[in-house]
Amino acid sequence: DIQLTQSPSFLSASVGDRVTITCRASQGISSYLAWYQQKPGKAPKLLIYAASTLQSGVPSRFSGSGSGTEFTLTISSLQPEDFATYYCQQLNSYPITFGQGTRLEIK
Amino acid sequence: EVQLVESGGGLVQPGGSLRLSCAASGFTFSSYAMHWVRQAPGKGLEYVSAISSNGGSTYYANSVKGRFTISRDNSKNTLYLQMGSLRAEDMAVYYCAREFVDTAMVIDYWGQGTLVTVSS
Repeated sequence: DIQLTQSPSFLSASVGDRVTITCRASQGISSYLAWYQQKPGKAPKLLIYAASTLQSGVPSRFSGSGSGTEFTLTISSLQPEDFATYYCQQLNSYPITFGQGTRLEIK
Repeated sequence: EVQLVESGGGLVQPGGSLRLSCAASGFTFSSYAMHWVRQAPGKGLEYVSAISSNGGSTYYANSVKGRFTISRDNSKNTLYLQMGSLRAEDMAVYYCAREFVDTAMVIDYWGQGTLVTVSS
């Protein structure tokens, strides 16, 4: 199985900050990676797929990059509604795997 | 509007069985692969199983292989997850999810989840 490791696991930041979350795969997965946002008590929401393609309706302050084994999710200017947990997911092969999550909290 | 409504969760004893259902509406169900993803209390997301649009292909996480069976009834727009030999570690919220038509394995819609509690 392909393992995904996110860093950091916890991030404290302020409104307006630029933040970056990293996801590393245990083997190369080309650009087969997605990012999701989850708020407490809610289902996850798709943000980005194919490493860098923004899902329809997602604000442009979210961006993704990377290929192979290292990927990043960047939020250019944090808004209050962005404080949530973020997960990466590999789309390269079954079984699908997720990263352990990065919890983004308000400083 | 795409809607996915799970049902069938509840309390079950270790070793017991449970069948989850997911009623889909607002899209052509038979055209989409579907997934089950779970989340234990306070933990991250864990992929459980997937099924192709016509039911001909299925996939399972190693942790549930041989114990869980995914199926679908396209005439009823319903996805199922038959769970057997349940263990404490299977306790979680189970989400039904639709695969994005443009990119395999990407999930673009999720249900609200149904809670499965495994306890004696």
